[in-house]
Amino acid sequence: GENVGLHLPTLSVQEGDNSIINCAYSNSASDYFIWYKQESGKGPQFIIDIRSNMDKRQGQRVTVLLNKTVKHLSLQIAATQPGDSAVYFCAEYPGGTSYGKLTFGQGTILTVHP
Amino acid sequence: DAGVTQSPTHLIKTRGQQVTLRCSPKSGHDTVSWYQQALGQGPQFIFQYYEEEERQRGNFPDRFSGHQFPNYSSELNVNALLLGDSALYLCASSRDRYNEKLFFGSGTQLSVL
Repeated sequence: GENVGLHLPTLSVQEGDNSIINCAYSNSASDYFIWYKQESGKGPQFIIDIRSNMDKRQGQRVTVLLNKTVKHLSLQIAATQPGDSAVYFCAEYPGGTSYGKLTFGQGTILTVHP
Repeated sequence: DAGVTQSPTHLIKTRGQQVTLRCSPKSGHDTVSWYQQALGQGPQFIFQYYEEEERQRGNFPDRFSGHQFPNYSSELNVNALLLGDSALYLCASSRDRYNEKLFFGSGTQLSVL
């Protein structure tokens, strides 16, 4: 079946560096994407979202880029901090009437070294 | 403003038993979805409840059932527990059934021995 996947399962960076987490999706009908951050012992925390009619969206220290041509999604974190260490998931909605039914990727572990 | 709350936080059961997990949605939200997250995996959709009815369902057997109450809180029931049911069970709420932005609780960690 169709799924959302990640290129890199782990990413280690130094504090202050910029981080880029990538995600590939295969469902061309997906029209809404979300990035979540999950810290140990907690549920996924909403970071930023983007709709398929957009290429880029910026938040506080985070930017999401969407390339529909190659079905690729990325999360950029500026000036990464130790508190950003967590597992990051991309998730997609397949569109239509599948409300509430997010499809998650496997996740990328981000480790930020002081 | 309370977020999504789940209880209990941890639970240990044995094979064949039944379990009930509880969820209170974020204030102002009326739709609840349940997800199962196995260790090292992303969450997988179980089902969604709105207006006290199951509206969407993922690829889970009938052993997984749920309920939503008039105050929008929800329960997830799992019968005849299997070892493979051991996972983190997450509840997520949204402002309405058509709103894609989900807010998650911290989950219930279920261990089946």
